[in-house]
Amino acid sequence: GESVGLHLPTLSVQEGDNSIINCAYSNSASDYFIWYKQESGKGPQFIIDIRSNMDKRQGQRVTVLLNKTVKHLSLQIAATQPGDSAVYFCAENSGYALNFGKGTSLLVTP
Amino acid sequence: GAGVSQSPSNKVTEKGKDVELRCDPISGHTALYWYRQSLGQGLEFLIYFQGNSAPDKSGLPSDRFSAERTGGSVSTLTIQRTQQEDSAVYLCASSLVGPAINQPQHFGDGTRLSIL
Repeated sequence: GESVGLHLPTLSVQEGDNSIINCAYSNSASDYFIWYKQESGKGPQFIIDIRSNMDKRQGQRVTVLLNKTVKHLSLQIAATQPGDSAVYFCAENSGYALNFGKGTSLLVTP
Repeated sequence: GAGVSQSPSNKVTEKGKDVELRCDPISGHTALYWYRQSLGQGLEFLIYFQGNSAPDKSGLPSDRFSAERTGGSVSTLTIQRTQQEDSAVYLCASSLVGPAINQPQHFGDGTRLSIL
């Protein structure tokens, strides 16, 4: 079946560096994508979303890029901070639900 | 309230007991969703409500699981005759309108359910 997946299960970056988290999706009919951040013991927190009619969307310190040709999504975090340490999930719309990948753990080291 | 509220935050119960989990969505949100997250895994969709109706119950794992929503607001997820494989974090989310209008779902912090 079609699914959303992540290339890297863990990512370690130094404080101040930029982080890039990647996600591959296989459902070419998906038209809406979201990135969530989940800290330990908390629910997923909305970061940024993008619709399929866009290639790029920027937020505060975050940018999401969508490449529909290769069905690839990425989340860029500028000047990564210790508070950015968490698990990041990409999700795509799938009927009534969101279809989530398994997540990438981001560890920010001083 | 300001966000999605779930209770209890933790629940430990013996195998075979029934449990009831509660979700209070963001005020004014008409759509409500339940998901399940097992340790180190992504989220598994369980059920979706639009108002008080559940047009999609396909994600419920078995007939031991049921959910209802009353007054277009609070929802309860009930698990009967709990089994150890039911141990997980149960997450509730809400969105302003239904999923046909693409918009983010906002999540509560979940109920961590442990079946002994």
